[in-house]
Amino acid sequence: ETGVTQTPRHLVMGMTNKKSLKCEQHLGHNAMYWYKQSAKKPLELMFVYNFKEQTENNSVPSRFSPECPNSSHLFLHLHTLQPEDSALYLCASSQQVSGTANEQFFGPGTRLTVL
Amino acid sequence: DQQVKQNSPSLSVQEGRISILNCDYTNSMFDYFLWYKKYPAEGPTFLISISSIKDKNEDGRFTVFLNKSAKHLSLHIVPSQPGDSAVYFCAAGSARQLTFGSGTQLTVLP
Repeated sequence: ETGVTQTPRHLVMGMTNKKSLKCEQHLGHNAMYWYKQSAKKPLELMFVYNFKEQTENNSVPSRFSPECPNSSHLFLHLHTLQPEDSALYLCASSQQVSGTANEQFFGPGTRLTVL
Repeated sequence: DQQVKQNSPSLSVQEGRISILNCDYTNSMFDYFLWYKKYPAEGPTFLISISSIKDKNEDGRFTVFLNKSAKHLSLHIVPSQPGDSAVYFCAAGSARQLTFGSGTQLTVLP
């Protein structure tokens, strides 16, 4: 595997379900990100991890819970979501968090539908 | 309030002609800017970047121009090819994060 991978690619869940999104990067990067992309809206940054430590949480509701066990893996645990949480969830990684080296490499995303 | 705006949701251009995608920003603290391209069912892929200390960066058919006084950047693609049809996002970077625009769908007509 190369680059940034995400599983599952599609997920349909009810509002009472608990599910997890997984992201893995094979680039040796130190920073990982979760973004949400709703239709016709900009990518919204949700969380940033740098060397496994969370450095940003952009006022994300607690029904989204990130986990970063190591620099290569990032999870987004979901529970009691709302239909308005339906969106494309993108994971990204970069060599470092700041500066011009912050070219981020994105995974293909998980298309989430909450019924 | 959006700090990075792409006011044109779509753009159609004839193959071989120039495509110009525009982006405006409000935060003068951004110190670098990037363009990403996104095909359906794929994540965004990096295209080209520019530091705030420069006004132009060129890479093959792609050139990014930065006008700091106007807080405006643009991506020029010349000549445009049908394979360039995609959604293009501009992004502005500061200390710890990128802020993205909402994207422009470019369609290059054969």
